[in-house]
Amino acid sequence: EAGVAQSPRYKIIEKRQSVAFWCNPISGHATLYWYQQILGQGPKLLIQFQNNGVVDDSQLPKDRFSAERLKGVDSTLKIQPAKLEDSAVYLCASNPFNSMNTEAFFGQGTRLTVV
Amino acid sequence: GQNIDQPTEMTATEGAIVQINCTYQTSGFNGLFWYQQHAGEAPTFLSYNVLDGLEEKGRFSSFLSRSKGYSYLLLKELQMKDSASYLCAPYPSGTYKYIFGTGTRLKVLA
Repeated sequence: EAGVAQSPRYKIIEKRQSVAFWCNPISGHATLYWYQQILGQGPKLLIQFQNNGVVDDSQLPKDRFSAERLKGVDSTLKIQPAKLEDSAVYLCASNPFNSMNTEAFFGQGTRLTVV
Repeated sequence: GQNIDQPTEMTATEGAIVQINCTYQTSGFNGLFWYQQHAGEAPTFLSYNVLDGLEEKGRFSSFLSRSKGYSYLLLKELQMKDSASYLCAPYPSGTYKYIFGTGTRLKVLA
């Protein structure tokens, strides 16, 4: 089966600009996650969707970050305006939500550099 | 909430055995995941422990003690390709949420 698809793979922007990332989870996976991974750290959960509803966005900086999953399939994460500290890899992951004992499947990530 | 503690870096020699420890505090707990992440790549699943004890999967084994809030990943017959970060992720009960520690960066030397 196809894996989690993300685009773009790399993005360089200037601070105060806006940027959007796209994720297409594995077909049939109801749960979708966006993680931020700063160099040398573990992934930090930004937002969790169940179908097209938000389950947890407690760590999403809502003044500048937004995410949507309108049809319960693919998702976009937007940053507007970007800051230097947003430089990180943004990972999308999905889970089928049919068992409590199932791992998350990750995409290759988008590496964002803010200059 | 959760506090997850792992060593930041470890170094070992090719062919050796290494144990990566993880301690955690969580208010509710279903099990614990271990993921491997090579530099510049996505995390990939290694193991999931629900019950106490050791689970062996080839060269990799994972141990869990729920009462002690402790897990470890044991890597045997180390190979150069095992150089990666190893992420511990306790899985809170009642959620489908994966919360990761900072990871342990393992360097395998020839």
